Amino acid sequence: GDSVTQMEGPVTLSEEAFLTINCTYTATGYPSLFWYVQYPGEGLQLLLKATKADDKGSNKGFEATYRKETTSFHLEKGSVQVSDSAVYFCAVIQGAQKLVFGQGTRLTINP
Amino acid sequence: NAGVTQTPKFQVLKTGQSMTLQCAQDMNHNSMYWYRQDPGMGLRLIYYSASEGTTDKGEVPNGYNVSRLNKREFSLRLESAAPSQTSVYFCASSPMTSGLRNEQFFGPGTRLTVL
Repeated sequence: GDSVTQMEGPVTLSEEAFLTINCTYTATGYPSLFWYVQYPGEGLQLLLKATKADDKGSNKGFEATYRKETTSFHLEKGSVQVSDSAVYFCAVIQGAQKLVFGQGTRLTINP
Repeated sequence: NAGVTQTPKFQVLKTGQSMTLQCAQDMNHNSMYWYRQDPGMGLRLIYYSASEGTTDKGEVPNGYNVSRLNKREFSLRLESAAPSQTSVYFCASSPMTSGLRNEQFFGPGTRLTVL
């Protein structure tokens, strides 16, 4: 079946550092790809998405590009803030609208 | 709009007890989902309902039952709770427009502990 592999965490950075969280997937056909964010004590929120190859999703300074040739959807941000501290989940949607999630990457930003 | 709401927020059960987790959405979405979240394992799909009147098993359905009561509500029942069901449970909904793979909208979660 489809699967998602994310960069192992936790990740700790200083404020204003550059962030990359790697995500690769295996899926048949042409899935849509998502990044979700979970702030402490809350549910998941959609951060960004891409629905076809070479699409770039972006939101709140985060970006990710759908790379079909490398089956990747890496999350990047040029300058992180303390408020970005959260758990980030990469996900792929397969048939019947069933999301498959990676294991999550915990990000901590120190001031 | 409240979005997706879940009750209760926290629950402690003894092994063998039963309970029902409630979920409701006010976005007129067709599809609804139940996930569990365990450390280091991401979210795993328990059951889903593609439309009112239908339900299907997900990745980890054993020990659970669901009811799609109407378009708004989708409940998850544990008939005889076990410590392995200690987890955080999330409900989600999606418009599931034909031909489009839409994002899912999540509730705040229910933290369940089974002793």
